[in-house]
Amino acid sequence: DTGVSQDPRHKITKRGQNVTFRCDPISEHNRLYWYRQTLGQGPEFLTYFQNEAQLEKSRLLSDRFSAERPKGSFSTLEIQRTEQGDSAMYLCASSFPDRGPTGELFFGEGSRLTVL
Amino acid sequence: KQEVTQIPAALSVPEGENLVLNCSFTDSAIYNLQWFRQDPGKGLTSLLLIQSSQREQTSGRLNASLDKSSGRSTLYIAASQPGDSATYLCAVHSNTGGFKTIFGAGTRLFVKA
Repeated sequence: DTGVSQDPRHKITKRGQNVTFRCDPISEHNRLYWYRQTLGQGPEFLTYFQNEAQLEKSRLLSDRFSAERPKGSFSTLEIQRTEQGDSAMYLCASSFPDRGPTGELFFGEGSRLTVL
Repeated sequence: KQEVTQIPAALSVPEGENLVLNCSFTDSAIYNLQWFRQDPGKGLTSLLLIQSSQREQTSGRLNASLDKSSGRSTLYIAASQPGDSATYLCAVHSNTGGFKTIFGAGTRLFVKA
């Protein structure tokens, strides 16, 4: 296992289309997180899962966004009816909270979304 | 509400110089603090994780300190190299008002050969 894997790395879509991103965490990690990052800013928390349970969602996660982790392994983040403001890097991270409530976060390479 | 600030926003130094990056946070009720490195267009690479009960962590040429009471952390890079050029981000993990990981905007470091 080489780390957190995200797919696709880049996605260009037209406004109004739906897009889906996939994240495969480090295999023994039971926590999985989604973040969004825009140019020049730090990542912003979107949501996180412990196993298959989605435990928290940010206010940033509008009704057009949905995340799932059906079997407690990989996760998908779907954005419906994309808007230009959704253009960003979507980052996935995983952790095994063996050192405190959060553990050390390990990130994937991200999925860059461009909405035309 | 937790806020994380990183100063300076950008830094350019000659190769071989020792340097310090700063991270400050407003709410001292944190679980831990993590420093990351990010290369352009890439994800984040974990550098150091400091638990709230710890004062510092070291890894190679990197040393991170934490002063919870004053809401500060520093990342010290010794003998900087051009390969250290990247954006350095600090993240504060807290549970105030629900799970929160708050990132600073980062410090863009350029090490000149």
